[in-house]
Amino acid sequence: AQTVTQSQPEMSVQEAETVTLSCTYDTSESDYYLFWYKQPPSRQMILVIRQEAYKQQNATENRFSVNFQKAAKSFSLKISDSQLGDAAMYFCAYRKEYGNKLVFGAGTILRVKS
Amino acid sequence: GAVVSQHPSWVICKSGTSVKIECRSLDFQATTMFWYRQFPKQSLMLMATSNEGSKATYEQGVEKDKFLINHASLTLSTLTVTSAHPEDSSFYICSARGGTSGGPSTDTQYFGPGTRLTVL
Repeated sequence: AQTVTQSQPEMSVQEAETVTLSCTYDTSESDYYLFWYKQPPSRQMILVIRQEAYKQQNATENRFSVNFQKAAKSFSLKISDSQLGDAAMYFCAYRKEYGNKLVFGAGTILRVKS
Repeated sequence: GAVVSQHPSWVICKSGTSVKIECRSLDFQATTMFWYRQFPKQSLMLMATSNEGSKATYEQGVEKDKFLINHASLTLSTLTVTSAHPEDSSFYICSARGGTSGGPSTDTQYFGPGTRLTVL
């Protein structure tokens, strides 16, 4: 069974600085999708970024980028120029290419200091 | 685009009563919808997957007779917690996966804002 591990329960970053959240996963599949979701205090899950495993290029969305290392089964999220609104719980998630289910990590609480 | 709503956003009920939560995809058709449960500061736990017009598939350990799921149309799924008890108190979240061409990505689940259920 696939598993997703987020080894950092909590992280802190100073406003305007850069922070990287870690995520590793375990799978025997060759094609799959990886996601980062953000859950702010409102508890609304928001898609931050997604990566198709067959793409070698790392996905980017404005201040958010990933470092996807397929061989190492690692999928870290880098947040540049951190803002107060980035404070949230961040979840890494995996889905098989033709599957339905998302497998979530335990989450990382990100605190942004002003 | 890809907006999912839930109603109600919070509900308080007495033990033994039933509560229905609605999940709607507002601007796209969702062939598949998902129901999750989340405890404070924890990850999402998938309860069931539903496809329009067919029976839901429940995850191991989830009581199908207690958590009734109906996916009657491509834009609406409902979760009914029957004979609710205090241990059912939780945050329930639905998500929808795009399923038609021209709509949002079929590779991505879009989440509703959640429903907080408190059973007294």
